[in-house]
Amino acid sequence: SQQGEEDPQALSIQEGENATMNCSYKTSINNLQWYRQNSGRGLVHLILIRSNEREKHSGRLRVTLDTSKKSSSLLITASRAADTASYFCATDGNTGKLIFGQGTTLQVKP
Amino acid sequence: SQTIHQWPATLVQPVGSPLSLECTVEGTSNPNLYWYRQAAGRGLQLLFYSVGIGQISSEVPQNLSASRPQDRQFILSSKKLLLSDSGFYLCAWSSQGPTGELFFGEGSRLTVL
Repeated sequence: SQQGEEDPQALSIQEGENATMNCSYKTSINNLQWYRQNSGRGLVHLILIRSNEREKHSGRLRVTLDTSKKSSSLLITASRAADTASYFCATDGNTGKLIFGQGTTLQVKP
Repeated sequence: SQTIHQWPATLVQPVGSPLSLECTVEGTSNPNLYWYRQAAGRGLQLLFYSVGIGQISSEVPQNLSASRPQDRQFILSSKKLLLSDSGFYLCAWSSQGPTGELFFGEGSRLTVL
């Protein structure tokens, strides 16, 4: 399977701390995307990083991509209670479709 | 701006009953449309995608079908629901092809009893 695998499955931190989530995948990719899902809601696109990029920033989000290790990380700095959600990585692989991982559930305690 | 609407938000249906979930996109033309299913605490499974009216690709064999009667309308159906059809169904659209950024609806939670 070329599905992305997020690690950890669950993460609990205090407000103000940084949260790091990792994603590993199995086949070569053209791009990797991160999405956020609040409980019971649809997914919201956060960031897309292409295979020729190593790092990308968007506000308090920082995404890195290491194609040699087939892994990506999502860092949320100075977390807030409102960041509580599930975070998914999605890879395109060579199927021509996005494949989503199982997600990391982040809880930020006020 | 583009918006996506999905309904109903919640549905409780008996086994063997029919299903119809609807999704419409506004503010864009000829979008790629997708139906995903999410089991509790799990990732998303792609069920169907469509690149145009009447063009439907099925990803997994199942008890469901999809139709695209209009450019911006995508419908998920079943003639007879199974218990295993319970889940959270998400409609999404993209303008950049199946591996580009996806825009999701708010989801439809289906419980089959």
